[in-house]
Amino acid sequence: ETGVTQSPTHLIKTRGQQVTLRCSSQSGHNTVSWYQQALGQGPQFIFQYYREEENGRGNFPPRFSGLQFPNYSSELNVNALELDDSALYLCASSSGLYTGELFFGEGSRLTVL
Amino acid sequence: AQSVTQPDIHITVSEGASLELRCNYSYGATPYLFWYVQSPGQGLQLLLKYFSGDTLVQGIKGFEAEFKRSQSSFNLRKPSVHWSDAAEYFCAVGASRNTGFQKLVFGTGTRLLVSP
Repeated sequence: ETGVTQSPTHLIKTRGQQVTLRCSSQSGHNTVSWYQQALGQGPQFIFQYYREEENGRGNFPPRFSGLQFPNYSSELNVNALELDDSALYLCASSSGLYTGELFFGEGSRLTVL
Repeated sequence: AQSVTQPDIHITVSEGASLELRCNYSYGATPYLFWYVQSPGQGLQLLLKYFSGDTLVQGIKGFEAEFKRSQSSFNLRKPSVHWSDAAEYFCAVGASRNTGFQKLVFGTGTRLLVSP
């Protein structure tokens, strides 16, 4: 069974640029959530995708957007990058909306200069 | 709104000693509660979860947690700590089915240091 994989593991961008982060969910999982973890903080919920549609969103501006594909893999896109967007971005998958248990990837570390 | 408080930012425990990490939550309904562990440069691994039933929950790696509704707490315990337990520990509360989606609210974490 393949776990949650994320790419890239590390990347550096400059303010104003755009970034796309990718996530392959665990086999059999149809729900993907994205979290932002700033240094020294707990993860914060960005949004969740279920069956290719966004079905829940945290307190993040519209420049954070996402996609989920028919194979349940997902992308997180961030436009107009700001310095405060520097963080570890975690993808988590689950086998349904309310299973309770999320399986996390190792994250993508984004640095914005 | 849901919230989680982990009052201890750092804890140092001697190897072989017992451990208790504190977690207090705020949530109007019956909460779903979780403890996750994060090693440096790694993602989050689920240690244990509470949904309902027995308030003492057993998890992986010898960890357990007790849900106390009267104290709004879900403290994590381990009777004997190993050096490999050094990591960041996060308590989280989950949204109920009424919200239409699943969202975890995490505490700020407790960093566990294990001394020889």
